[in-house]
Order: sequence, then C-alpha cells, then structure tokens
Amino acid sequence: DAGVIQSPRHEVTEMGQEVTLRCKPISGHNSLFWYRQTMMRGLELLIYFNNNVPIDDSGMPEDRFSAKMPNASFSTLKIQPSEPRDSAVYFCASMHAGANQPQHFGDGTRLSIL
Amino acid sequence: AQSVTQPDIHITVSEGASLELRCNYSYGATPYLFWYVQSPGQGLQLLLKYFSGDTLVQGIKGFEAEFKRSQSSFNLRKPSVHWSDAAEYFCAVGAQGGSEKLVFGKGTKLTVNP
Repeated sequence: DAGVIQSPRHEVTEMGQEVTLRCKPISGHNSLFWYRQTMMRGLELLIYFNNNVPIDDSGMPEDRFSAKMPNASFSTLKIQPSEPRDSAVYFCASMHAGANQPQHFGDGTRLSIL
Repeated sequence: AQSVTQPDIHITVSEGASLELRCNYSYGATPYLFWYVQSPGQGLQLLLKYFSGDTLVQGIKGFEAEFKRSQSSFNLRKPSVHWSDAAEYFCAVGAQGGSEKLVFGKGTKLTVNP
C-alpha cells in the first residue's frame, strides 16, 4: 500500500522566494495534517483538514504560511515570502477520521532557506 | 494545556539489553496515547497506541507500553534491543481526547552499542 507521499524531499531556496510543499494522503483517509519539526521546538501541528476543509489552523505561524486541500488526494503548504527561520522539516500526515485511528506520516520535506 | 514530557534526551544501551523510555503526560481526561519512531531522514512510524481497555499495549517490532493513570505515564519497553532499534522515539497525546490534535514530546534518541 502506498503511504503518504510528500514532494519534494529536499528544497533549498533563497529567502524571499515562494516555496510550495506537496502532499498526497493515503487513499481513503479523510483527515490531513501538516507539521513542522525543528530542533528547538520539536514537532508542531500547523494545520489540519477534515474532508478537505481546514478545521484548525491555529498552529500556522504567520500570514506568510497558507495551506490548501483542493481535493481528497492532494494538499499544498505554501510559504511566501520565505525566511531563513522557516528552515525545518515539514511533515504531512493523514488519517481515517473516526474512533481509534492513528495518523500516518510521510517522509517529510527538508526545507533550507538561505 | 496538554503536554508531554520525555525526560531523557539521549539513551545508550548495549545490543541485547532491555530498554525503557519514559513518557509523562498532562491531560485532564482519559488520554489517547501514542509512541512513534523516527529513523534518520524518514517520517514517523507508529509503534503502538492506547485508547482504552487493557493498560499494557503491544506494538510492532517487539515493543510494548504500559499506561499508568496514577503516574500519568506511558513508558515504552523492549526486553532485548537490536541494533536496528537505534532511532528517535516520540511519545504523543491526543490533545482533544482523539487522534487529531497530537501534542508530541521532544523525543528520546536511542543509541545501540554492539
């Protein structure tokens, strides 16, 4: 079975540029999550969707960050403009919303902003 | 607010030795609890979960964890560690009594000596 697929795996860009991270959840899963992992702050939930609708975006750090889920099989996390402090590993996870279901994580995108 | 504490940042054990990784949580009601493992450059893989019922939970790769409400703990154990267990381990609590808003600990890095 295909897991959560994220692209790109690595991204290096200069500050001020727009960055778009992509995620394909596991087929049949109707909840999707975006996390950021840094040494200082650990794993932080940025936003999550149920049935393609954003439910909680309280973890999104600033207006420079935005996330969309146009359909059940695709989501993007966009940073515009990017800053060096956005450098981190960004994870996408998906889950079948319901009782007693765990989240399944992708392999992440390692983002470096120069 | 919900929180998770993993007191040990780094643990080193010899191959074949037993292992216990500590996790303490703060949550007012019956928590949903998880242990995930992260190998370098990869995403988080679910080891086991506790939602209710038997307080001793069996997971993959020979791991188990015990929920102790009186101690607010959910420690992870393995009787005999293999070199391939070297990774970082994360404990998480479902912040709203479910699996959506996970709050993660800062992780414990496990090194296995031959």
